[in-house]
Amino acid sequence: GAGVSQSPRYKVAKRGQDVALRCDPISGHVSLFWYQQALGQGPEFLTYFQNEAQLDKSGLPSDRFFAERPEGSVSTLKIQRTQQEDSAVYLCASSRGGALSEKLFFGSGTQLSVL
Amino acid sequence: AQSVTQLDSHVSVSEGTPVLLRCNYSSSYSPSLFWYVQHPNKGLQLLLKYTSAATLVKGINGFEAEFKKSETSFHLTKPSAHMSDAAEYFCVVSAMNSGNTPLVFGKGTRLSVIA
Repeated sequence: GAGVSQSPRYKVAKRGQDVALRCDPISGHVSLFWYQQALGQGPEFLTYFQNEAQLDKSGLPSDRFFAERPEGSVSTLKIQRTQQEDSAVYLCASSRGGALSEKLFFGSGTQLSVL
Repeated sequence: AQSVTQLDSHVSVSEGTPVLLRCNYSSSYSPSLFWYVQHPNKGLQLLLKYTSAATLVKGINGFEAEFKKSETSFHLTKPSAHMSDAAEYFCVVSAMNSGNTPLVFGKGTRLSVIA
């Protein structure tokens, strides 16, 4: 596609529900990142893939958070047993190569609200 | 470890006057530095990046930034603000020589432009 696509755009979940957030990166992009952006804050790193390999998941806040990219293209971020503190915008970004100095292309994000 | 500090959470300027958004960084390695802009309901967009070439970096929409190692600063400037510049701006650091280090975002500076 022309850009990074994320779905859904908005998600409302009841506390304790599981959610799955999808990211379609730019076709052919090697690297894919997930970030969490709380209201009024900068994006915070969650996890990073190079092709299908998850190279860094140090930013995932708990074992309720899980990300995958099984075929090296589309990625899913799953949050189990959602809590109110999980409410945030979840941003996905991709880049052409594997260098971390490369330009990132961001999607518009998924706004998650946990009630 | 890398970090960035954006010294102002909110900057307000009149249309046609200069813009200065301040950023200081901390990095154990030679850093790559970026400025990203986030317009409401749009994805983050790269304005410019520094990767150890020229210290004065020119970006899109008339913005530029100067890398000053002695001051550990990477301030963003524009000679004349336009109404369309109103947005949230993020300073970002990545360490080039430290392996798989994710980009670290500052907390952001909200720029308001007054007519």
